[in-house]
Amino acid sequence: QQQVKQSPQSLIVQKGGISIINCAYENTAFDYFPWYQQFPGKGPALLIAIRPDVSEKKEGRFTISFNKSAKQFSLHIMDSQPGDSATYFCAASRDTNAGKSTFGDGTTLTVKP
Amino acid sequence: DTEVTQTPKHLVMGMTNKKSLKCEQHMGHRAMYWYKQKAKKPPELMFVYSYEKLSINESVPSRFSPECPNSSLLNLHLHALQPEDSALYLCASSPGGGGRGVNGYTFGSGTRLTVV
Repeated sequence: QQQVKQSPQSLIVQKGGISIINCAYENTAFDYFPWYQQFPGKGPALLIAIRPDVSEKKEGRFTISFNKSAKQFSLHIMDSQPGDSATYFCAASRDTNAGKSTFGDGTTLTVKP
Repeated sequence: DTEVTQTPKHLVMGMTNKKSLKCEQHMGHRAMYWYKQKAKKPPELMFVYSYEKLSINESVPSRFSPECPNSSLLNLHLHALQPEDSALYLCASSPGGGGRGVNGYTFGSGTRLTVV
């Protein structure tokens, strides 16, 4: 049973456009929702994260929107740049579970110049 | 120091070999993890160490043996692997093993393992 569903699988955006990646979770006990960015040949890097007591968090061009009632959260990348081309993973975890995270399947983002 | 360092970066081993992967962090993190990642797939959890004790083993075959010698080091001992074990092996750490101290992971760059 997949607990975190991520869409789309791949996304192509023009430079300067907005990239939007969506995730839905099932386990209401999850209380930490990070996004990771992974470039080829590298490990994932924590990009931005949110807890369910807020509905939105913004860091630079990256924003997480969180809808607790719908059990959904999304990553918005404003003014997308070719350097943002990477694979993005959403994840969810419970604080009490030794930090064990459940990952979505990933979204490959390509930003065209 | 905000890095997780993994060695070696690349490893080719035969099915009868014994090798070890090493991971080191100096951020004072108390939880450390081994993940396995296949191409175009998300990381799959293998082991979790919390305060130097093994807290989660995700039913990993015994040919993979983790070890946490101290709070900064994590090893993964490999023996009699199969070609399907070829993957990127990622080490990660996080600040705490539970409670509100848990935050996102800091991943290393991984070891690209090829079993021949």
